[in-house]
Amino acid sequence: QKEVEQNSGPLSVPEGAIASLNCTYSDRVSQSFFWYRQYSGKSPELIMSIYSNGDKEDGRFTAQLNKASQYVSLLIRDSQPSDSATYLCAVRNAGNMLTFGGGTRLMVKP
Amino acid sequence: DGGITQSPKYLFRKEGQNVTLSCEQNLNHDAMYWYRQDPGQGLRLIYYSQIVNDFQKGDIAEGYSVSREKKESFPLTVTSAQKNPTAFYLCASSIRGQTIYQPQHFGDGTRLSIL
Repeated sequence: QKEVEQNSGPLSVPEGAIASLNCTYSDRVSQSFFWYRQYSGKSPELIMSIYSNGDKEDGRFTAQLNKASQYVSLLIRDSQPSDSATYLCAVRNAGNMLTFGGGTRLMVKP
Repeated sequence: DGGITQSPKYLFRKEGQNVTLSCEQNLNHDAMYWYRQDPGQGLRLIYYSQIVNDFQKGDIAEGYSVSREKKESFPLTVTSAQKNPTAFYLCASSIRGQTIYQPQHFGDGTRLSIL
């Protein structure tokens, strides 16, 4: 069973701080990784994708991938209350399917 | 604007009743997917289709059925055999192909409850 694991949280950070969200996966042949943001009662929205080892930055968001450790993370700099949501990690396997983690709930306190 | 439209937004099912959730996309995507999300949980794959007139079971297909007669449409029927249908149902689509650079994009979802 291919698995994607996330700490369910809630992860609570003060406004302006860096939020660090982590995800581990079990399928060594996974090739692409996605972070989705899901507000309560809404559908997931793609915010970052990463395919190569290292860091990828987009505005306040940085995705980090370490394939050797089977670990992908999302950093949110200068966290805002509007960043409060559940963040879903998704991993694409060789069969072209996405496997989703259970999500980490982030709370940014003013 | 291109996107994925799910309807209805809310749906109520009576005991023994089949209900159908609609999913339409105008993104010209070949692949379409149905997921179920229970409160506080991640997404679980019900069915997917990579091409018209072909679809495959996902991890939790029992009690559900789909059809893919048109590229734009991928309706999901929740049958009376699905004893615990209360959940948030999400339809997604993506470009089909061998490239790995293919995120899935989601519709707004349908919330199904039992009467």
